[in-house]
Amino acid sequence: DVKVTQSSRYLVKRTGEKVFLECVQDMDHENMFWYRQDPGLGLRLIYFSYDVKMKEKGDIPEGYSVSREKKERFSLILESASTNQTSMYLCASSFVTGANYGYTFGSGTRLTVV
Amino acid sequence: QKEVEQDPGPLSVPEGAIVSLNCTYSNSAFQYFMWYRQYSRKGPELLMYTYSSGNKEDGRFTAQVDKSSKYISLFIRDSQPSDSATYLCAMSKSNYQLIWGAGTKLIIKP
Repeated sequence: DVKVTQSSRYLVKRTGEKVFLECVQDMDHENMFWYRQDPGLGLRLIYFSYDVKMKEKGDIPEGYSVSREKKERFSLILESASTNQTSMYLCASSFVTGANYGYTFGSGTRLTVV
Repeated sequence: QKEVEQDPGPLSVPEGAIVSLNCTYSNSAFQYFMWYRQYSRKGPELLMYTYSSGNKEDGRFTAQVDKSSKYISLFIRDSQPSDSATYLCAMSKSNYQLIWGAGTKLIIKP
């Protein structure tokens, strides 16, 4: 089975902390994505990467950065966590033409910033 | 106006009923259409994908695309309590990006 693994299911962090969310996929997918999911707002794309060391801003990149040093790993960084970043964060991956055939998602990280 | 519109529900139906879930879209360039199912506290999982117009059937699930009306549907026959989940439609804009509906919460009552 294709697996996308997110390092934490639940995280609680304090305002101002630097937060790292890790995602690893084992299917040699070129594309990787970070979304946040909030009630009533659906899935919103934060960043995506189509190759190692490549990154593109999504719809809501402010307050976030990403890192992709290896093909299988894509990290999301909250530079200085704020309460409005409390959300469910979902990582996904696909082959380079895979948007046409769907993504594989991880189970999500529910982040609470207090 | 959002590119993809989907009623958030909740939609509550009795077990055994036929369920119809729908999305409308505005961009005629969309070619690939997907339905994802998301159980509570889990990530979305791909349920079905279709290319262009027409129907696609997989067991109790049928995906339908009407490009002339910019309308897609997912039908679930003989619905089961285990089908209770949020269903998200998604459409391909490029090799990288999917455009998502907000998701419809479905509740199947035993």
